[in-house]
Amino acid sequence: EIVMTQSPATLSVSPGERATLSCRASQSVASSLAWYQQKPGQAPRLLIYGASTRATGIPARFSGSGSGTEFTLTISSLQSEDFAVYYCQQYNNWPRTFGQGTKVEIK
Amino acid sequence: QVQLVESGGGVVQPGRSLRLSCAASGFTFSSYGMHWVRQAPGKGLEWVAVIWYDGSNKYYADSVKDRFTISRDNSKNTLYLQMNTLRAEDTAVYYCARDRSRRGADAFDFWGQGTMVTVSS
Repeated sequence: EIVMTQSPATLSVSPGERATLSCRASQSVASSLAWYQQKPGQAPRLLIYGASTRATGIPARFSGSGSGTEFTLTISSLQSEDFAVYYCQQYNNWPRTFGQGTKVEIK
Repeated sequence: QVQLVESGGGVVQPGRSLRLSCAASGFTFSSYGMHWVRQAPGKGLEWVAVIWYDGSNKYYADSVKDRFTISRDNSKNTLYLQMNTLRAEDTAVYYCARDRSRRGADAFDFWGQGTMVTVSS
């Protein structure tokens, strides 16, 4: 199975600052990469699919990039509602696999 | 609006069975692949199973293969997960999620609120 590795595990950022989250796949997943946001007690929410396409209703401050094995989620200016856990997921191969998550916390 | 509502969770003894349901509304259920994803307490997300839009194909995580069965009733707009021979490590919140495609080949664009399954004696 494809192993997805996210870094860092925790990112401490001040509101208004930029956050950069990384995701690495153990083998190429082309552009079949999604990012999800999860807040405590809530279901995950799709942010990005196809490595760089924002899902419906997702603010422009969220952007995704990369292909193959290296991917990045950037939040250009963190808002209070963005503090959450973020997961990457590949959907190029079975089984579908998620990264272990990056927690974005208030600095 | 798209809604996915899971039910059927609870506390069950090891070795017993449980069936989860996911009632879908607000979209043409029969046109989408559907998944189950679980999350153990304090842990990350683990994909469990997928079923194609017409039920013709199913895939499972190795951790549940031969114990869990995913199915759907398109006439009832409902997704199911039959869980047999439950183990303590199956304890988790179980989410149903809609795939953006018919054949489970895309990202998961809508999720239910989840139902908790606790396997304990």
